[in-house]
Amino acid sequence: GENVEQHPSTLSVQEGDSAVIKCTYSDSASNYFPWYKQELGKRPQLIIDIRSNVGEKKDQRIAVTLNKTAKHFSLHITETQPEDSAVYFCAASNWEYGNKLVFGAGTILRVKS
Amino acid sequence: DAGVIQSPRHEVTEMGQEVTLRCKPISGHDYLFWYRQTMMRGLELLIYFNNNVPIDDSGMPEDRFSAKMPNASFSTLKIQPSEPRDSAVYFCASRRTGGGYEQYFGPGTRLTVT
Repeated sequence: GENVEQHPSTLSVQEGDSAVIKCTYSDSASNYFPWYKQELGKRPQLIIDIRSNVGEKKDQRIAVTLNKTAKHFSLHITETQPEDSAVYFCAASNWEYGNKLVFGAGTILRVKS
Repeated sequence: DAGVIQSPRHEVTEMGQEVTLRCKPISGHDYLFWYRQTMMRGLELLIYFNNNVPIDDSGMPEDRFSAKMPNASFSTLKIQPSEPRDSAVYFCASRRTGGGYEQYFGPGTRLTVT
């Protein structure tokens, strides 16, 4: 089955700096890669996703890149703000099989003001 | 839309007791997922349904766990008997075929088994 590894487990950045979180996956059949943000005590919420036919996707301060050959994808947050502090999870799935998500272990992002 | 609704939000029970968690997916969503979140194991899929039919229950930890979806607007996850290691946050999520691939999570049920 699919296995997703996520690094780093914790990340501290200064407000205004960029943050990068990286994930690798094992199943070459995976074709959908979402990123979820989870604030303390809250539910995971989708912040951006990418499909395997696209190499990069941006949405304001966040972007995701995908390298299918190397089987890794990354989340980039620019101009970080204190409200970006949360746990971020990457995931992988094959949407042809019901969108069963396999999550990475999560990254605790702390933005220091 | 009210979003995915879960009840109870918090449950404290003693080891050996039966626990039932409930979920109401977003109206019109045909996929429903049950996840468990712990510090040690992270977010893991337990089971998911499509059109009320269980499709993949390979993540259900053992026979003590069972899940049902009697209709499109209701699902239950039952643990009988409960054990302290079942303590976790249980999330229900749903999505709609043709509506993109986003899964919408409910607020979760925090289960504590003493």
